[in-house]
Amino acid sequence: AQTVTQSQPEMSVQEAETVTLSCTYDTSESDYYLFWYKQPPSRQMILVIRQEAYKQQNATENRFSVNFQKAAKSFSLKISDSQLGDAAMYFCAYSPPRGGTSYGKLTFGQGTILTVHP
Amino acid sequence: DTEVTQTPKHLVMGMTNKKSLKCEQHMGHRAMYWYKQKAKKPPELMFVYSYEKLSINESVPSRFSPECPNSSLLNLHLHALQPEDSALYLCASSQERQGNYGYTFGSGTRLTVV
Repeated sequence: AQTVTQSQPEMSVQEAETVTLSCTYDTSESDYYLFWYKQPPSRQMILVIRQEAYKQQNATENRFSVNFQKAAKSFSLKISDSQLGDAAMYFCAYSPPRGGTSYGKLTFGQGTILTVHP
Repeated sequence: DTEVTQTPKHLVMGMTNKKSLKCEQHMGHRAMYWYKQKAKKPPELMFVYSYEKLSINESVPSRFSPECPNSSLLNLHLHALQPEDSALYLCASSQERQGNYGYTFGSGTRLTVV
C-alpha cells in the first residue's frame, strides 16, 4: 500500500520569508500524481499545486513551487514571500495511476501546521 | 461553477436518529467521494463513486449508506451512529476516478453525535 509521510508536524515562518514543507512517499508505481492541499480553519481543502510523476519539470504556481525528486520519492513544497493567509494545515497527497485496486484512492500524509508570524 | 456544495454545514444528531448529508457539484465531474476527517488528522476515504456506481467502499460500517442519484449529487445517509462517528465529513469530486487533474473538495459537514 502507498504511504505518504510528512515529518514536520508544525512549521513557522515570518511574513515575507520562505518556508519549505517536506513530504516523502512510498510506491512501486512509475506513473502517479502528487498534490499539496491547504486546509485553513475554514475547513475547505484547497488544491495548492499538482505534479505528474512522468514530468521531470517541477510544478510552480505563483509563490508555490515543488522540488520533486522521483528517485528519492520526495515531494517538498516551497512557499516564497509567505503571507498571513498562508497559515493553514498543509497535506501532501498521492494519487495512484489508472487501474489496480487503489485506483481512485487519494492517500494523505499526516499534515503540517504552518504558522505565519507578522 | 467550480464548487462542491455540502449541506448542512453543521449537524447534531442523536444515536437513534436518521439524517442525510448532501453533496452537489455542477462541474461535470464523473467521480465523487466521501471522506471522514477527525480534528488535526488527514481525511480518510470512505466511498468512491465513478459514473454513479459505487467503486470503492473502505469497509465502512453499514450505519453509513451512500447514494448517488445522478452525476451531480451524492448523499450520505446516517442511521444509528455512535459518538465516535462525530467528525468532519468531506465530499470531493474529480473529472475521472483517477483525479489526475486534482480533486475539488467541499467545505464539509461538521457532525456531532450525542
